[in-house]
Amino acid sequence: EDQVTQSPEALRLQEGESSSLNCSYTVSGLRGLFWYRQDPGKGPEFLFTLYSAGEEKEKERLKATLTKKESFLHITAPKPEDSATYLCAVQADQAGTALIFGKGTTLSVSS
Amino acid sequence: NAGVTQTPKFRVLKTGQSMTLLCAQDMNHEYMYWYRQDPGMGLRLIHYSVGEGTTAKGEVPDGYNVSRLKKQNFLLGLESAAPSQTSVYFCASSSRANQPQHFGDGTRLSIL
Repeated sequence: EDQVTQSPEALRLQEGESSSLNCSYTVSGLRGLFWYRQDPGKGPEFLFTLYSAGEEKEKERLKATLTKKESFLHITAPKPEDSATYLCAVQADQAGTALIFGKGTTLSVSS
Repeated sequence: NAGVTQTPKFRVLKTGQSMTLLCAQDMNHEYMYWYRQDPGMGLRLIHYSVGEGTTAKGEVPDGYNVSRLKKQNFLLGLESAAPSQTSVYFCASSSRANQPQHFGDGTRLSIL
């Protein structure tokens, strides 16, 4: 069965304290891995797509990496406005066009 | 830049009532999706469409129906609402199957 597991469930950081969020997956064949940010009361906002192991994408303080079993979202020197829930989703060969979502990591950054 | 627009934003129903949720996208995307998001469960796919006039079942389709009569619109119907359908419903669209899905801001539905 295709599965996506995110850890930790919640993460509290001080402003400027860098850290990483983990997304581990077990799928029959990976077609793509997607990272989203979700603010309270809003829909998920697309951040990155990764298609193959070794691929990396960056945007401001965020960097996403991908291996054959997991993806990391690295947050460098976070600011309070980075506080949100970060969702990981995979698209697998057997699932067709469907995205399989993890339960998310809720990040809180305090000043 | 409207993107994906969902109507209504909030709704309260009584058990057994019916309603339709509307999703509209202005990005000319072929693919559209309906998800539900429940605490501790993550987002789960209800139904999706790969083009005008087509629909397909997702992970949790029971109790819902969908229609895609126009490319830009995707409707989600609840024929006889049940308390278990209390959730936040999100619509999304994408240009192709392996491209990012873009989401609306959701419809918060409570069924009493």
